[in-house]
Amino acid sequence: GAVVSQHPSWVICKSGTSVKIECRSLDFQATTMFWYRQFPKQSLMLMATSNEGSKATYEQGVEKDKFLINHASLTLSTLTVTSAHPEDSSFYICSAILGLAGDQQYFGPGTRLTVT
Amino acid sequence: AQSVSQHNHHVILSEAASLELGCNYSYGGTVNLFWYVQYPGQHLQLLLKYFSGDPLVKGIKGFEAEFIKSKFSFNLRKPSVQWSDTAEYFCAVNADSSASKIIFGSGTRLSIRP
Repeated sequence: GAVVSQHPSWVICKSGTSVKIECRSLDFQATTMFWYRQFPKQSLMLMATSNEGSKATYEQGVEKDKFLINHASLTLSTLTVTSAHPEDSSFYICSAILGLAGDQQYFGPGTRLTVT
Repeated sequence: AQSVSQHNHHVILSEAASLELGCNYSYGGTVNLFWYVQYPGQHLQLLLKYFSGDPLVKGIKGFEAEFIKSKFSFNLRKPSVQWSDTAEYFCAVNADSSASKIIFGSGTRLSIRP
């Protein structure tokens, strides 16, 4: 099946610094990737839709300048959390679709971000 | 706005019991429906999906779900659960097939007593 990886799997950073999270589709090309945030014992909240070669589409309430998304190739999307604050501590998950729009998404293992 | 409701936050069952997890969505048009599972320490994976056709869909590991359009529901069922079914279950809806964006329910934690 389609595999999506994320790096790093966990990261600890200090307040005010920036952190980059990578999402890769390992065995397929993904024109569309998604970034989610998951708080403990809660559901996934879609942050943005990342399209290769174009600007990401952010969900309402998600700060574009704080969560920078770049989808430079068909197999890589990055999420950069800029000027991180403790409230940004969360589990960040990416996903990608393999086939037609509307089809199932393949999820990465997630990245645990802790901001101290 | 589209929404997905999972009414059971935490379900505790004994092995071999039957399972039904509720899922309701609010959208009047054509939808694609999914159930995803997240085992402890693992990433989300697809259990089953409904796009069209037979409203009773079968997924992996003995799970099935029934789409009832009149009730806006897509409940997940399994006749006999196992300890290994302990996980978090998420219902999800895609109401815009051109965009692939899906909305997740709040999730149901399933705990199985051995």
